[in-house]
Amino acid sequence: AQTVTQSQPEMSVQEAETVTLSCTYDTSENNYYLFWYKQPPSRQMILVIRQEAYKQQNATENRFSVNFQKAAKSFSLKISDSQLGDTAMYFCAFMTDTSGTYKYIFGTGTRLKVLA
Amino acid sequence: DGGITQSPKYLFRKEGQNVTLSCEQNLNHDAMYWYRQDPGQGLRLIYYSQIVNDFQKGDIAEGYSVSREKKESFPLTVTSAQKNPTAFYLCASSIRGQGANYGYTFGSGTRLTVV
Repeated sequence: AQTVTQSQPEMSVQEAETVTLSCTYDTSENNYYLFWYKQPPSRQMILVIRQEAYKQQNATENRFSVNFQKAAKSFSLKISDSQLGDTAMYFCAFMTDTSGTYKYIFGTGTRLKVLA
Repeated sequence: DGGITQSPKYLFRKEGQNVTLSCEQNLNHDAMYWYRQDPGQGLRLIYYSQIVNDFQKGDIAEGYSVSREKKESFPLTVTSAQKNPTAFYLCASSIRGQGANYGYTFGSGTRLTVV
């Protein structure tokens, strides 16, 4: 069975500093996709960044970047120059083809608080 | 603007009642999904539908039912058989098949509370 583990239930960071959120996963698949979603206090899930497992290059989106280590099954999210608006729950998610359907498996989330 | 609309935002249910949560999308997505979110447990899949008039059970379907009569709509009914329905419910949609790996679009959720 595929699993996603986020070992940091809560984290805090000072505004303008850098923070890294950890995520590990377990799968026997070779072709899959990894995501980080942000859930702010409004509760709407927003896609932050996406990584294709067959690509060695780490994905980046402005201040957000990932460190994808396929052999270690690790997919951490780095937020640079943290802003107050980054305060949210962050979910790591894994997706692969299951009988023609692409479904997520989510981690339990990391609550990030950016301090002024 | 295209998106997903969930209603109501808050819903209260008495013991033994069925309630229906609405989910409507205008993104022309074929696939739609219902997730349940509980504190400390992430998101768990209840039901999903890849095309109209077809749907499949997810990981926690017991006590729930769905219908998919229109492409735009995927309502979720929480029945009296669901023993612990108090939770936050999220609806999502995506391109069907491999296109789903570009990510889902989520609604803003419905908070259901049993009173």
